[in-house]
Amino acid sequence: GDSVTQMEGPVTLSEEAFLTINCTYTATGYPSLFWYVQYPGEGLQLLLKATKADDKGSNKGFEATYRKETTSFHLEKGSVQVSDSAVYFCALRRPEYGNKLVFGAGTILRVKS
Amino acid sequence: ETGVTQTPRHLVMGMTNKKSLKCEQHLGHNAMYWYKQSAKKPLELMFVYNFKEQTENNSVPSRFSPECPNSSHLFLHLHTLQPEDSALYLCASSQEGPENTEAFFGQGTRLTVV
Repeated sequence: GDSVTQMEGPVTLSEEAFLTINCTYTATGYPSLFWYVQYPGEGLQLLLKATKADDKGSNKGFEATYRKETTSFHLEKGSVQVSDSAVYFCALRRPEYGNKLVFGAGTILRVKS
Repeated sequence: ETGVTQTPRHLVMGMTNKKSLKCEQHLGHNAMYWYKQSAKKPLELMFVYNFKEQTENNSVPSRFSPECPNSSHLFLHLHTLQPEDSALYLCASSQEGPENTEAFFGQGTRLTVV
């Protein structure tokens, strides 16, 4: 079945450090890929998405590129802030299954000032 | 109110209690979902409703009973729960069809079963 694997956390960085959170997926066909973010005490918010190979999603300084050859969708940010501290979830959706999302386990990010 | 609203935000219940979680979406979407988020596990899809009809039940125990009276409201009725059912329960909505959207999530209900 479909699955998403994320790097285990927590990831602890100093402010202004470079961030990479790895995400790889297993799915047949051409899924859409997403990063969701969950701030403390909140629900999930869509951070960015990509719907086809080589697409780059970007938002709030975060970027991720859909790499079909490596089945990856790694999240990056050049300079993190304390306010980026949250849990980040990678997810996929196969169009034939509507909007049902398959999530990774989530990666906790802690940014220290 | 905008987006997806869940009530209550926190709930503590005994194993013999009956309670209900409520979700309301103000986005005009036609599909709604219940997810369970347990510590150190991926989010698990529990139920899917499209146009008020249940289209998926992911082998969820019968002590969880969903209800979707209309396309804007979704309930999760709880009875005789177990401590391992303690989790964050997230509701989501989306538009299915030619103009589908991504899923929008509520803030969740933190459930503790004692």
